[in-house]
Amino acid sequence: SQQGEEDPQALSIQEGENATMNCSYKTSINNLQWYRQNSGRGLVHLILIRSNEREKHSGRLRVTLDTSKKSSSLLITASRAADTASYFCATDQSNAGNMLTFGGGTRLMVKP
Amino acid sequence: EAGVAQSPRYKIIEKRQSVAFWCNPISGHATLYWYQQILGQGPKLLIQFQNNGVVDDSQLPKDRFSAERLKGVDSTLKIQPAKLEDSAVYLCASSLGDRANEKLFFGSGTQLSVL
Repeated sequence: SQQGEEDPQALSIQEGENATMNCSYKTSINNLQWYRQNSGRGLVHLILIRSNEREKHSGRLRVTLDTSKKSSSLLITASRAADTASYFCATDQSNAGNMLTFGGGTRLMVKP
Repeated sequence: EAGVAQSPRYKIIEKRQSVAFWCNPISGHATLYWYQQILGQGPKLLIQFQNNGVVDDSQLPKDRFSAERLKGVDSTLKIQPAKLEDSAVYLCASSLGDRANEKLFFGSGTQLSVL
């Protein structure tokens, strides 16, 4: 079973708008990572946030983590057509050694 | 820096046939992962190697799947015999160390279709 579940499963927005994707997980974690996957390609690491961090920024990306609610969000500001991809959260569970578990992903489409 | 290399890019086989995938991780990366990604889902870890030792293979269907990482560098994943439900993209990834707080570098994957 997957630890993280992304919401929504699919999101369609216009270029220039902001995109927000959410990830919920079930058990306590050490850290949470977000990855992007373009169609037919492998995943690319975007950002890692540790369990003792609440917010992290990288360029147009903003990630928040709420360990009390067991959830994280990824915000992409001023979206571009090139941001069209699937976005996955991955968690490193505290009781699962070094295993990284991926969620089902959010499919983002940014229309030009 | 060269990325994670995988081959073949695509493979079509009939059920009950065997198939093998190859992965060459980034030079110097100690940890290598094989993930299975079914269409519309997230990647599921099949096996994790640290150097040439297995760290986790709890989700590997060992009756038909096998993997090895000889000399702690490149790796092969084999399916024998293949079933229809094995149709998926097989992703190889590597990381520098063995901690799960490190980022993974993925190859482009091998898309397997079992007919």
